Amino acid sequence: DAGITQSPRYKITETGRQVTLMCHQTWSHSYMFWYRQDLGHGLRLIYYSAAADITDKGEVPDGYVVSRSKTENFPLTLESATRSQTSVYFCASSESTATLYYFGPGTRLTVL
Amino acid sequence: AQSVAQPEDQVNVAEGNPLTVKCTYSVSGNPYLFWYVQYPNRGLQFLLKYITGDNLVKGSYGFEAEFNKSQTSFHLKKPSALVSDSALYFCAVRDKANAGKSTFGDGTTLTVKP
Repeated sequence: DAGITQSPRYKITETGRQVTLMCHQTWSHSYMFWYRQDLGHGLRLIYYSAAADITDKGEVPDGYVVSRSKTENFPLTLESATRSQTSVYFCASSESTATLYYFGPGTRLTVL
Repeated sequence: AQSVAQPEDQVNVAEGNPLTVKCTYSVSGNPYLFWYVQYPNRGLQFLLKYITGDNLVKGSYGFEAEFNKSQTSFHLKKPSALVSDSALYFCAVRDKANAGKSTFGDGTTLTVKP
């Protein structure tokens, strides 16, 4: 199916564990983004990528790692999860810098 | 650095009345501006955008937005609100010079009452 998907949709983990959130898009969009959504903070950019093998930090990158070996995938890893990383995570893709974002359905992560 | 402000956390309107959701922005250069809507437990969906051209932009579901450069505003409007318009609305500004990363406002919850 065409589109942008995220997995898992829901995840519960414990403090200190490593967690990887997956994002996959089928359009071959160059640009991909990871945001977290927290009440009262809107969406905050964690990392973004302009193309395969090109990534850069956003507003709140600490504690997260990304990679982009293939255009269609943009996984986000929490190296050692903390309770403050409990959030809803959204992946998005975009064809160019002037076009709209397509958002995935989100991953709700709870860190106990 | 670019920024977006949505001064109202909550907007309440009666069905059939016009609605406005406010957005102001700060960006160097010419802005790329967007509105997105989020329904409960869903991802964000695109409503409309301003890149260049006419200041009045029309989008999905009867929404429109007016770009005002002097006031650095991009308010979302609809002539006649529907109960189904109730959702969380986000304004965003996109930095075309920096991989197109977007800065979002904190969101405005729109409630349309029958």
